[in-house]
Amino acid sequence: KAGVTQTPRYLIKTRGQQVTLSCSPISGHRSVSWYQQTPGQGLQFLFEYFSETQRNKGNFPGRFSGRQFSNSRSEMNVSTLELGDSALYLCASCRQDMNTEAFFGQGTRLTVV
Amino acid sequence: QKEVEQNSGPLSVPEGAIASLNCTYSDRGSQSFFWYRQYSGKSPELIMFIYSNGDKEDGRFTAQLNKASQYVSLLIRDSQPSDSATYLCAVNPTGNQFYFGTGTSLTVIP
Repeated sequence: KAGVTQTPRYLIKTRGQQVTLSCSPISGHRSVSWYQQTPGQGLQFLFEYFSETQRNKGNFPGRFSGRQFSNSRSEMNVSTLELGDSALYLCASCRQDMNTEAFFGQGTRLTVV
Repeated sequence: QKEVEQNSGPLSVPEGAIASLNCTYSDRGSQSFFWYRQYSGKSPELIMFIYSNGDKEDGRFTAQLNKASQYVSLLIRDSQPSDSATYLCAVNPTGNQFYFGTGTSLTVIP
């Protein structure tokens, strides 16, 4: 059974640009959530999607957005990139709609220069 | 106050010893609790989850939950050098939104 797949694995972008990251959850999982991981802040919740609907959103500016498609694949977009957006972005997939374990992809390492 | 607090360590234990990792959380309504292990440069991998008060054992790992004290712990018995990693405590207050602690760095010394 394939795991959570995130693409691309690495990205280098210039300040002011925008970026789109992709996540394919484990087959049969309908919940996808996104996290930002930095050395100083740890893992911080961005947003969660279930059946194409955003259910929860973390405390991030509106430059961070996402969506989920009917096949459960999800994308997140960051516009007007700032240096502080450099981080590891992790996607997690869950089997059920709540109270279930999350399985992480390998992440996308975003560097903003 | 952070939703999930962990002692950042580093925690060092000799090979074969018991490593004890602790976590407290602030949301009393939280229903499920998770421990993840993260090796340097890798993504978090699930070790255990616990929903009910008490202990849950899985091999060398035991998770302990005390909802009244809002406290979760992870014991690793017979620690091995391969257990050296950062251990993340996660709490699930709603849906599939998780709050993570900043992690405890564990080093097992051969």
